[in-house]
Amino acid sequence: SQTIHQWPATLVQPVGSPLSLECTVEGTSNPNLYWYRQAAGRGLQLLFYSVGIGQISSEVPQNLSASRPQDRQFILSSKKLLLSDSGFYLCASRDITNEKLFFGSGTQLSVL
Amino acid sequence: RKEVEQDPGPFNVPEGATVAFNCTYSNSASQSFFWYRQDCRKEPKLLMSVYSSGNEDGRFTAQLNRASQYISLLIRDSKLSDSATYLCVVNTNTGGFKTIFGAGTRLFVKA
Repeated sequence: SQTIHQWPATLVQPVGSPLSLECTVEGTSNPNLYWYRQAAGRGLQLLFYSVGIGQISSEVPQNLSASRPQDRQFILSSKKLLLSDSGFYLCASRDITNEKLFFGSGTQLSVL
Repeated sequence: RKEVEQDPGPFNVPEGATVAFNCTYSNSASQSFFWYRQDCRKEPKLLMSVYSSGNEDGRFTAQLNRASQYISLLIRDSKLSDSATYLCVVNTNTGGFKTIFGAGTRLFVKA
């Protein structure tokens, strides 16, 4: 099965600072990749998904962007963080033969 | 209307109880359905897939009604370790699978 590497586990950043979260996938090729955000006590909100290198679909207008420079690498970025960007960020992967999602262990981002 | 809606929680039940979770989805073109379990501040983990014919795994039973766009999860003989948030998940193929999660229902099982 797939393994999703996501780091860091915890991040504290000041308002206005940049952000880069990286996710890499092992054990599959050409996966569909996803970034989700979960606010405290809330459900998972789909932010971006990608079906291939360089292809990004955005689900909600926001302060964040995503990129997929390699088949198994997915990056979430921001030029200037806002307080409202705080949350638990999860990267997920699905291979083309399997409808199930595999998650990374998540990054808890606190913007202060 | 949200794409995937679940029962508001939390559910507080004693050990041994049977508990049912409900979920509805709005996109009739949705293709596959799952229940995930999430422990506090952890990543969600797949609990089981959901089919129209029903799916049973030990104490857990999941059911899909496509006509009503309704998904259910039944947990029998609840254990303390079942305490978690249960997430209803719906896939729609829009040129790549778009996976939408419900907000989740929190379950507390008490001794």
